Amino acid sequence: DAGVIQSPRHEVTEMGQEVTLRCKPISGHNSLFWYRQTMMRGLELLIYFNNNVPIDDSGMPEDRFSAKMPNASFSTLKIQPSEPRDSAVYFCASSFRHPDEQFFGPGTRLTVL
Amino acid sequence: KNEVEQSPQNLTAQEGEFITINCSYSVGISALHWLQQHPGGGIVSLFMLSSGKKKHGRLIATINIQEKHSSLHITASHPRDSAVYICAVRYNGSQKLVFGQGTRLTINP
Repeated sequence: DAGVIQSPRHEVTEMGQEVTLRCKPISGHNSLFWYRQTMMRGLELLIYFNNNVPIDDSGMPEDRFSAKMPNASFSTLKIQPSEPRDSAVYFCASSFRHPDEQFFGPGTRLTVL
Repeated sequence: KNEVEQSPQNLTAQEGEFITINCSYSVGISALHWLQQHPGGGIVSLFMLSSGKKKHGRLIATINIQEKHSSLHITASHPRDSAVYICAVRYNGSQKLVFGQGTRLTINP
């Protein structure tokens, strides 16, 4: 298996633009997690899905952030409009069942100018 | 104040040394994870445990539920072990993982 796939790996955009991050979990995994990592706050859970249904989105910082999982093999995290403070590395992870060992994608490094 | 405290924040050692990284948390948990983040940024799950001890190769993770404390040990450390090690806990009644700030380990040859 290719592991968790994220795209793009790097994204540079200007403040106010819409940003869409993509994630393909490991085939057969039924839980998917979106995390954000910054120097100041470390790793934080934004949202997680179980069987494509959002279970806990309390970590989503504000209404500018939204996440979807239309099917078992694809999820998106959208920021609209983006702000410089959104600059971070965004990780997607999946697991066979929650709770269980999580497999992380390589991350998307987002820079908002 | 982070609910999950790791120590030390930074650790430098010589190749071959025995390494211990500590993690303390504040209330009852259902599971504790140890993660490794390489200099390139990738994150790998090392262990998930809720009691006792687990071993994988040169890595050993222990947890003491009563003392709310876990340790990650590395035996015969090697420069390739250089990474940030992150502790994360899932509290009872919650589905979220709460992360420590990480311990940056550098092993010199």
